[in-house]
Amino acid sequence: KQEVTQIPAALSVPEGENLVLNCSFTDSAIYNLQWFRQDPGKGLTSLLLIQSSQREQTSGRLNASLDKSSGRSTLYIAASQPGDSATYLCAVPPGGGGADGLTFGKGTHLIIQP
Amino acid sequence: GAVVSQHPSWVICKSGTSVKIECRSLDFQATTMFWYRQFPKQSLMLMATSNEGSKATYEQGVEKDKFLINHASLTLSTLTVTSAHPEDSSFYICSARRLRNTEAFFGQGTRLTVV
Repeated sequence: KQEVTQIPAALSVPEGENLVLNCSFTDSAIYNLQWFRQDPGKGLTSLLLIQSSQREQTSGRLNASLDKSSGRSTLYIAASQPGDSATYLCAVPPGGGGADGLTFGKGTHLIIQP
Repeated sequence: GAVVSQHPSWVICKSGTSVKIECRSLDFQATTMFWYRQFPKQSLMLMATSNEGSKATYEQGVEKDKFLINHASLTLSTLTVTSAHPEDSSFYICSARRLRNTEAFFGQGTRLTVV
């Protein structure tokens, strides 16, 4: 059974800092990995999708890397802003692919101090 | 990205009544939709996989007779919480994707409170 762990559980940094969020998963036979953002009481916003054949994916100030063999992914946020404050979730499909849903980590609760 | 619309965004109901939540993919056809539940300060847990034109697949521990799922078309799936109890109070979120192993898009979620 796929398990996803995210570290740290919470992070508070001053505005402008670069930061790294970590995600690890137990079954490396995945087709892709997805990073989401969740604001309080809201649904999920997809940030980045990395296919298993890719090493990294970039969108604006966000960069996600994937090391499938070691079961790890990182989300790098450059020049953080107060608007980046949210919970960031990492999710993967079951190992071996298939039509099943995603397994989520518990998230990193991020606060960017103005 | 694609748009998934979920309705209602919040609902309050009395114990013993049923509540229906709708999930629509607005600009793409979704052969598969997923329903998740999220308790306070917890992550999302998959409840069931909804396949268009066939029965839903439920995760272990999820009562299929209590959480009725219908995926009548390629753009609509519904979740009905039957005979709701206070312990069913939670945040329910649906997800849809175009094809297998592609990006998943999520609805805004529905906050259900059973009193």
